[in-house]
Amino acid sequence: EDQVTQSPEALRLQEGESSSLNCSYTVSGLRGLFWYRQDPGKGPEFLFTLYSAGEEKEKERLKATLTKKESFLHITAPKPEDSATYLCAVIGAGSYQLTFGKGTKLSVIP
Amino acid sequence: DAGVIQSPRHEVTEMGQEVTLRCKPISGHDYLFWYRQTMMRGLELLIYFNNNVPIDDSGMPEDRFSAKMPNASFSTLKIQPSEPRDSAVYFCASSLAGQDTEAFFGQGTRLTVV
Repeated sequence: EDQVTQSPEALRLQEGESSSLNCSYTVSGLRGLFWYRQDPGKGPEFLFTLYSAGEEKEKERLKATLTKKESFLHITAPKPEDSATYLCAVIGAGSYQLTFGKGTKLSVIP
Repeated sequence: DAGVIQSPRHEVTEMGQEVTLRCKPISGHDYLFWYRQTMMRGLELLIYFNNNVPIDDSGMPEDRFSAKMPNASFSTLKIQPSEPRDSAVYFCASSLAGQDTEAFFGQGTRLTVV
């Protein structure tokens, strides 16, 4: 059974204070690891897909990296508008089902 | 395209009543997914369709839950009879090519069963 664990559950940062969110996963044959952003009262919004260890992707202040056991979402010089819950999900070769973690709620204080 | 459209946004119903949630996927997307989100369990896949055909309903919790996709632009998730433990936010999502590609989520339906 695929498993995803995200840490920390919640993170408060000052504006401009860089940090990282962690996503640890267990999957049989990784087909892809996904990062989504979810704002209150809205559905998740796609950010990145990573397919193999060593891969990195960037979008504005966000950078996602992947190893064989975990993924990090690095946030550089965050702004208040980056406040949201960030969800990590994996899909394995055997399940064909996307398994989500419970998310990290990020709050960026001005 | 307006994105994935779900209705209603909020639903409050009494235990034992039938509830129907509706979804219009993005035009041209061949895959449609129904998810449920709770604080305890996070986001869980209930069922997904490919070209209007149900492919995997192993996430549907009980026989009280059923889903249909009569055509490419409409799907329903029905709960009959509803129970308080069904209270959650239900999301519909669609994608071009399956779960290992970018999915576009609707705004969700917040269901409260009292």
